[in-house]
Amino acid sequence: AQTVTQSQPEMSVQEAETVTLSCTYDTSENNYYLFWYKQPPSRQMILVIRQEAYKQQNATENRFSVNFQKAAKSFSLKISDSQLGDTAMYFCAFINAGNNRKLIWGLGTSLAVNP
Amino acid sequence: KAGVTQTPRYLIKTRGQQVTLSCSPISGHRSVSWYQQTPGQGLQFLFEYFSETQRNKGNFPGRFSGRQFSNSRSEMNVSTLELGDSALYLCASSPGLTSNYEQYFGPGTRLTVT
Repeated sequence: AQTVTQSQPEMSVQEAETVTLSCTYDTSENNYYLFWYKQPPSRQMILVIRQEAYKQQNATENRFSVNFQKAAKSFSLKISDSQLGDTAMYFCAFINAGNNRKLIWGLGTSLAVNP
Repeated sequence: KAGVTQTPRYLIKTRGQQVTLSCSPISGHRSVSWYQQTPGQGLQFLFEYFSETQRNKGNFPGRFSGRQFSNSRSEMNVSTLELGDSALYLCASSPGLTSNYEQYFGPGTRLTVT
């Protein structure tokens, strides 16, 4: 079965601090792509960062970085210097490569950034 | 480039009715995917269209259908609405090529079935 598990339903962090959101996934495929999406209260789903499974180097996008452990099927998101605008639901998801755009999603982590 | 647009943004329907939702992808994108988001089930894949052909389908009953037009705009239709169809329906746009798997989402259509 292809699944994504986000073990932290809710998290909170103080403004300017660092927080890490956990994600594990399960797939039998070797070539796939991993994503973190953010959904603020406006409900607009926003792509935060992506990682190709064949790349060993962890992806970074400004204050966002990932820790990708392929053997452990782990894909955590680190947010540095947290800002109030980072308050949102964060979803971990993956796609198996090929003629396929079916994202498999976790249930999300609700992150609150406190002033 | 303009982002993904979805119409309408909000919809209230009665059980047994049917509904059509529309999605216009980012210019140049040929793939459109649809997702259903509910508090209980989370995000679930409905189907994907690429160049007017359904390329992938999720585990939803036949009441859920879709199509894609030559300009890549897509519609999804739900017939014989049930209370459980109340959800946020998200459309995602992608170039569709095997070199790029990123999907960009529209603002969603909030469907309420009473």
